[in-house]
Amino acid sequence: KAGVTQTPRYLIKTRGQQVTLSCSPISGHRSVSWYQQTPGQGLQFLFEYFSETQRNKGNFPGRFSGRQFSNSRSEMNVSTLELGDSALYLCASSLKQNANYGYTFGSGTRLTVV
Amino acid sequence: DQQVKQNSPSLSVQEGRISILNCDYTNSMFDYFLWYKKYPAEGPTFLISISSIKDKNEDGRFTVFLNKSAKHLSLHIVPSQPGDSAVYFCAASEESFNKFYFGSGTKLNVKP
Repeated sequence: KAGVTQTPRYLIKTRGQQVTLSCSPISGHRSVSWYQQTPGQGLQFLFEYFSETQRNKGNFPGRFSGRQFSNSRSEMNVSTLELGDSALYLCASSLKQNANYGYTFGSGTRLTVV
Repeated sequence: DQQVKQNSPSLSVQEGRISILNCDYTNSMFDYFLWYKKYPAEGPTFLISISSIKDKNEDGRFTVFLNKSAKHLSLHIVPSQPGDSAVYFCAASEESFNKFYFGSGTKLNVKP
């Protein structure tokens, strides 16, 4: 069974640009969450989608946005990139409506802003 | 404002001995707790979870203990194996929200 697929794996962008990251959850999983991982900060919650609706949002500026499609695939977008946005962005999916049984994470997209 | 803290950034243990990873939280509304393991260049992998109605959950070599009054949980790995060397994250959430707060991770090194 295919896992959570994130594309691209690596990305280099310039300050001020915008970027779109993609996540395909495990087949049948309807909940998709996004996290940002930076050194020393652990994983910080960005947002969560279930059945195309954003159910939860973390404390990130409005430059960070996302969406989910009817096939459960999700994208996140970061506009007006800043150097501090350099991080590993992880997508996770879960079968159940709440993820207390654990997420399955993708391998992440490593974004570098120069 | 970190609601989940892992105060030990690293831990080194001899193969065969017990590894104890600790995690503290501040929000008394948290009622689900999970541990994840992460290898370099891979996403975190779910290990074990515990709900606040329990104080212990076991799965093979992994046991998680929860002390609600101290707002503390720990992961015990017995016996530790070199393949356990990875970064371990604890995470917590309120049941009604599908939003997890993660600690900053503890890097475990199990020496052969």
